[in-house]
Amino acid sequence: GENVEQHPSTLSVQEGDSAVIKCTYSDSASNYFPWYKQELGKRPQLIIDIRSNVGEKKDQRIAVTLNKTAKHFSLHITETQPEDSAVYFCAALASGGSYIPTFGRGTSLIVHP
Amino acid sequence: NAGVTQTPKFQVLKTGQSMTLQCAQDMNHNSMYWYRQDPGMGLRLIYYSASEGTTDKGEVPNGYNVSRLNKREFSLRLESAAPSQTSVYFCASREGGVPYEQYFGPGTRLTVT
Repeated sequence: GENVEQHPSTLSVQEGDSAVIKCTYSDSASNYFPWYKQELGKRPQLIIDIRSNVGEKKDQRIAVTLNKTAKHFSLHITETQPEDSAVYFCAALASGGSYIPTFGRGTSLIVHP
Repeated sequence: NAGVTQTPKFQVLKTGQSMTLQCAQDMNHNSMYWYRQDPGMGLRLIYYSASEGTTDKGEVPNGYNVSRLNKREFSLRLESAAPSQTSVYFCASREGGVPYEQYFGPGTRLTVT
């Protein structure tokens, strides 16, 4: 089955800095890669996703890149703000099946004012 | 439109007690999922229902049973609770096909003593 590794487990940055979270996956059939943000005590919510036919996708301060050859994808947050503090989860899945995403273990991002 | 709702929000059980976690969605989604979230472990799939009338095991099904009561409702039952089942439980749903986004409920925090 699919295996998703996520690093780092904790990331501490100063407000205004950039943050990068990296994930690797094992199954070459995976073709959809969502990122979820979970604020403390809240539910996970999708913030951005990328499909395997695209190398990069941006949405304001957030971007995701995908390297299919190396089987890794990354989340980039620029100009971090305290409200970006949360746990971020990456996931990978093959869209042709019953849609069972495999999640990474999460990265706790702390943005210091 | 309430999205995905879960009851109860909190529950304390003694070892050996049973209980059912309830989940309902009002988005007419076909697929529903139960996850558990433990510190440092990410989201692990317990059971899922790809469509009304079907259920399948996920990564960690032992000690749990599920019922897809109708298209809206998907319940998770613990027949004989154990301390290892102390966790936060999330229900999720998705439409089926494209788009692939999962919508999560607010979670149930369960403690087994």
